Amino acid sequence: DSGVTQTPKHLITATGQRVTLRCSPRSGDLSVYWYQQSLDQGLQFLIQYYNGEERAKGNILERFSAQQFPDLHSELNLSSLELGDSALYFCASSVVGVWTEAFFGQGTRLTVV
Amino acid sequence: AQTVTQSQPEMSVQEAETVTLSCTYDTSESNYYLFWYKQPPSRQMILVIRQEAYKQQNATENRFSVNFQKAAKSFSLKISDSQLGDTAMYFCAFMKGGNDMRFGAGTRLTVKP
Repeated sequence: DSGVTQTPKHLITATGQRVTLRCSPRSGDLSVYWYQQSLDQGLQFLIQYYNGEERAKGNILERFSAQQFPDLHSELNLSSLELGDSALYFCASSVVGVWTEAFFGQGTRLTVV
Repeated sequence: AQTVTQSQPEMSVQEAETVTLSCTYDTSESNYYLFWYKQPPSRQMILVIRQEAYKQQNATENRFSVNFQKAAKSFSLKISDSQLGDTAMYFCAFMKGGNDMRFGAGTRLTVKP
């Protein structure tokens, strides 16, 4: 168990809908990352938050948004969903400023039908 | 932006033999971190090994070791005495201190009995 919790584990929704993925980082970790992994593909970096502020942005679509709340949990909002958004969405957290790696949650598998 | 390249989409090895997975990266930074993550069929992301760029000594974790060549921007993973449980996708990753982690496209490793 990495200590990073993602909910829900699975999500099936229709095209055009909006969903919210939730991530609770490890205790003490201030930085949260979101990644998208399509079937048999690598991990595409979406966005990073550090202590509530956006720290880095990757290939995140305008239909997607994220935020990190004062209790450090983070949410990834996906709207106007398309079939191509079906993927495994990972959240990871790390202790910024010290020597460490990112710890990954189990992922949320999103299926858009 | 930092890029990470894994030039071997797929590799296979016989059980008990040794295999080396390649990774190169591009950065202008002098201090950074490098990682190898393993993703078994369960899709969980598991840290295999990590290396700090300022350390010249190559990292080792049991059967896993790296060959870190900073000048060449190369970071290969050697798996000795391969086991069936090593079958997985392996991702090389780069991280600047405090910032996002970028991944390569991955190498699918199959260990054959």
